[in-house]
Amino acid sequence: EAQVTQNPRYLITVTGKKLTVTCSQNMNHEYMSWYRQDPGLGLRQIYYSMNVEVTDKGDVPEGYKVSRKEKRNFPLILESPSPNQTSLYFCASSPRGASWEQYFGPGTRLTVT
Amino acid sequence: GQNIDQPTEMTATEGAIVQINCTYQTSGFNGLFWYQQHAGEAPTFLSYNVLDGLEEKGRFSSFLSRSKGYSYLLLKELQMKDSASYLCAALLTDSWGKLQFGAGTQVVVTP
Repeated sequence: EAQVTQNPRYLITVTGKKLTVTCSQNMNHEYMSWYRQDPGLGLRQIYYSMNVEVTDKGDVPEGYKVSRKEKRNFPLILESPSPNQTSLYFCASSPRGASWEQYFGPGTRLTVT
Repeated sequence: GQNIDQPTEMTATEGAIVQINCTYQTSGFNGLFWYQQHAGEAPTFLSYNVLDGLEEKGRFSSFLSRSKGYSYLLLKELQMKDSASYLCAALLTDSWGKLQFGAGTQVVVTP
């Protein structure tokens, strides 16, 4: 089944404790992206990757890191999480091309206390 | 700067038509997406418009006017399951691959 998976789905952590949210897609898509979603603010792009070893900043990259060592994986790293990073996070992938259709993962709800 | 505006909420009756408008002001523009998002779920792709005009997909249609910085999503023959948030997003060209989303329009379908 074609899908984007994220792990963990739910995470409660404390300020300053490094964490990684994994994202994996099995559709051989070139493009992958991370978003956060907060009430009233909609989806905001954190980082995106056009292909392996190519990453770029979205609108809200501060406090996050990403890597794209393999085509299928695009982990999101929070080196020192803070409470303002409490949010719902979505990973997405796309084959690009004419339709740019993005497939979203199920989301990761992160709480930083 | 970048700005994408859409109404916060719209209410319509089952079987009716609703039009969700989206205006955008971006430094570089490639195309306009529409997504549907049910509460507690991930967004799902509805459409991507690059050229001016109307594109129809069953009960959903999307329109784009690049010169006016304007798009709309038309939902026909509304069903209760269409109650959801609808997100418009611009694909920018100043950094290829960068997307900017509006805050979303909550559509409530009533019996």
